[in-house]
Amino acid sequence: AAGVIQSPRHLIKEKRETATLKCYPIPRHDTVYWYQQGPGQDPQFLISFYEKMQSDKGSIPDRFSAQQFSDYHSELNMSSLELGDSALYFCASSQLMWRETQYFGPGTRLLVL
Amino acid sequence: GIQVEQSPPDLILQEGANSTLRCNFSDSVNNLQWFHQNPWGQLINLFYIPSGTKQNGRLSATTVATERYSLLYISSSQTTDSGVYFCAVDKNYAGANSKLTFGKGITLSVRP
Repeated sequence: AAGVIQSPRHLIKEKRETATLKCYPIPRHDTVYWYQQGPGQDPQFLISFYEKMQSDKGSIPDRFSAQQFSDYHSELNMSSLELGDSALYFCASSQLMWRETQYFGPGTRLLVL
Repeated sequence: GIQVEQSPPDLILQEGANSTLRCNFSDSVNNLQWFHQNPWGQLINLFYIPSGTKQNGRLSATTVATERYSLLYISSSQTTDSGVYFCAVDKNYAGANSKLTFGKGITLSVRP
């Protein structure tokens, strides 16, 4: 079965640089979620989109923005990167109307130097 | 927001042993999922179980929604079961700001 695809899988950036993470949800899933997991921490919700509209926002820094495109893929844009942004970033998708499982992608491991 | 507590925080088992992992939550939920995070960081879905009991091979889970807890049972543990087990819940109905709140996780080490 198709899974959530994230790219890149690993990313190394310098402080103050920008990064773009991409997420391709499972086909026919209409909702995308982004989570951030710092070292030794549990995943924290950042933001979600339902049918290309932002549906909820968590503890996402103002330096971060995200959107969902017409083909349902989503991008998380991160600017002015800080050392503390080093984390594992997960994208998840679900078919919201069926109150289903959120399926997680493999994650993008971001290291800010 | 909703609180999720998992216990015990750490667990060391000998291969072949059984274990029970617990998740308590502070409010009624419409979604509860158990995940296994492997040493490579991947979050693997184990169960979607807002209520009731499910089994998948050596793993089973029970959620008693009225008492706000869920249990994950691992039988005949194997070294590949090592990793962090997360319980995550969502108190909202689908379509209304649905998002998962995770517990701190339970670190399981299975020794050969």
